[in-house]
Formats: sequence, structure tokens, C-alpha cells
Amino acid sequence: NAGVTQTPKFQVLKTGQSMTLQCAQDMNHEYMSWYRQDPGMGLRLIHYSVGAGITDQGEVPNGYNVSRSTTEDFPLRLLSAAPSQTSVYFCASRLLFPASGDPSPPQHFGDGTRLSIL
Amino acid sequence: AQSVTQLGSHVSVSEGALVLLRCNYSSSVPPYLFWYVQYPNQGLQLLLKYTSAATLVKGINGFEAEFKKSETSFHLTKPSAHMSDAAEYFCAVSMDTGRRALTFGSGTRLQVQP
Repeated sequence: NAGVTQTPKFQVLKTGQSMTLQCAQDMNHEYMSWYRQDPGMGLRLIHYSVGAGITDQGEVPNGYNVSRSTTEDFPLRLLSAAPSQTSVYFCASRLLFPASGDPSPPQHFGDGTRLSIL
Repeated sequence: AQSVTQLGSHVSVSEGALVLLRCNYSSSVPPYLFWYVQYPNQGLQLLLKYTSAATLVKGINGFEAEFKKSETSFHLTKPSAHMSDAAEYFCAVSMDTGRRALTFGSGTRLQVQP
């Protein structure tokens, strides 16, 4: 199983450029989310989705857009990159509802995209 | 509201020594609690989780954590550190399993000295 796949692994952008970070999962998970990781701040939720066509904002959504046209894919778009968006971005997925014997399905993480904005 | 506090951004232990990483949580309802580990240039991997079935939870790689409601704590321990345990560890809390996302602590970097 591939699990959660993120592309690209590294990217350098100039201020004002736009780009899309890709995330795909092959576990048929309803719930997908994007986090950013910054030193000393842990992971902060950007956007999440509970199924195709349904998205919602997290803790730090400004400057980012998402869409969920399929169960498998959950791309994150930076509309106009800013240096403050330099970070490591993680996509994660999990089952939305408890499975038999597991009231709290764990999240599965991709390996991250390291984004630098100059 | 839910929050997590991890005491100590860096912890250094000798190989073979006890590992203790501290996590305190705040939650208005009984929480679900998680410990994740992150090795360099990788994503997060689940070490263990508490879901109210038992207060002492055993995870992978010899780690365990104890849920103490009276202290609102969920500290991670391992009796004997190994060099391969060097990584960053994150405590996380969730109040339910539906739409609510995980809230992560700021992380603790564990260094293991030979």
C-alpha cells in the first residue's frame, strides 16, 4: 500500500507565485487534512475535508485554498506565495467514523513537502 | 476547546537510560490522546493512543504512556533508550472522532547519547 503520497517533496518559489501541493491516499479514507509544521509550533491545521465536495477551515487557513473532487485526492493551493508560508506541509488521512473495535481511527501522514518562498 | 502542552522542547538521555517525555492536555470532554514520532525528513508515525479502554497504553518500539485524569497528563516513557529512538515526539489530543481534528503539542526532540 502506498498510504498517503505527497508531491513534490521539495519546492522553492518566489514571492507572489502560485502552486499546488498534491496529496493522494489509497486507503479510502473519508477524512483528509493539511497541516503546516514550523519550528517550536508543532503541527497546525490549515484545512480539512470529511468527504468529496466538503471542505472546512482549520486553525491557519489564510492564503490557502483546497478542494476535494474525489475521495483519493486533496490538493492544497497557495494563491500568492509569501515568505511567511515557508514551512513543511503534511497531508494526513483517516477514517471519519470509528471502525469496529477502534473508537478513534489514527491519522496516516505523508512524508511532507518542504516549501521555501524567497 | 482542546490544547496540549509538552514540557521540554529538547530532552537528552544516555543510551540505556529511562526516557520520560511529558504531555499535559486540556479538554472539556474525555479526550482521545495520541503520541506520534517523527524521524528526520519523514512524516509522523503513530506510537500509541489512548481511547479510554485502559489507562496504561503500550505502543510500538517499547514505548508506553499512562493516562492520568487527575493530573490531565499522558506522559510517554520507555525503560531503556536506544540510539534509534532519537527523533521528535508529538503529543496530540482530539475530543471526538468525527469532524474534529487533532491538536498537536509543540514537540519534544529526544537526543540519545552513546
